[in-house]
Amino acid sequence: GENVEQHPSTLSVQEGDSAVIKCTYSDSASNYFPWYKQELGKGPQLIIDIRSNVGEKKDQRIAVTLNKTAKHFSLHITETQPEDSAVYFCAASINFGNEKLTFGTGTRLTIIP
Amino acid sequence: DTGVSQNPRHKITKRGQNVTFRCDPISEHNRLYWYRQTLGQGPEFLTYFQNEAQLEKSRLLSDRFSAERPKGSFSTLEIQRTEQGDSAMYLCASSFPGQGKGYTFGSGTRLTVV
Repeated sequence: GENVEQHPSTLSVQEGDSAVIKCTYSDSASNYFPWYKQELGKGPQLIIDIRSNVGEKKDQRIAVTLNKTAKHFSLHITETQPEDSAVYFCAASINFGNEKLTFGTGTRLTIIP
Repeated sequence: DTGVSQNPRHKITKRGQNVTFRCDPISEHNRLYWYRQTLGQGPEFLTYFQNEAQLEKSRLLSDRFSAERPKGSFSTLEIQRTEQGDSAMYLCASSFPGQGKGYTFGSGTRLTVV
């Protein structure tokens, strides 16, 4: 089955700096890669996703890049703000987001004011 | 639309007892998923439904676990003869294929088995 590895497990950045989280996946058939943000006591919230026919996608301060050949994808957050502090999970699945997701182990991001 | 609702939010039970959790998905979503999340880990897939049909079950879902979605709306997840290893956050999510919006997760039910 699919295996998703995520790093780093913790990340601290100064407010206003950029943060990058990286994931690799094992199953070349995976074609949908969402990123979730999870705050304490809440369920994961989808923040951005990308399909395998796209190499990069951006939404305001958040961007995701995908390298299908290397089977890795990354989350980039620019101009970080205190409210970006949370745990971030990457995930992968086959078919467009409607079947089971395999999640990474998460990155705890702390923004230092 | 108030999102995906899960009840209860917290459940403490003694080992060996049965527990049942409920999930109310977003009304127009025909797919419903259950995941389990332990501390410091990402969610792990348990099972999913399309309407009332249970289409896939993970091997994590032992015979002590059963999930239903009888009318294709809300779903229940029951754990029989709970064990300490069942302590986790149980997450429900829903989606509608073709909307292009991925999953919407609920806030979860945190189960503690003592």
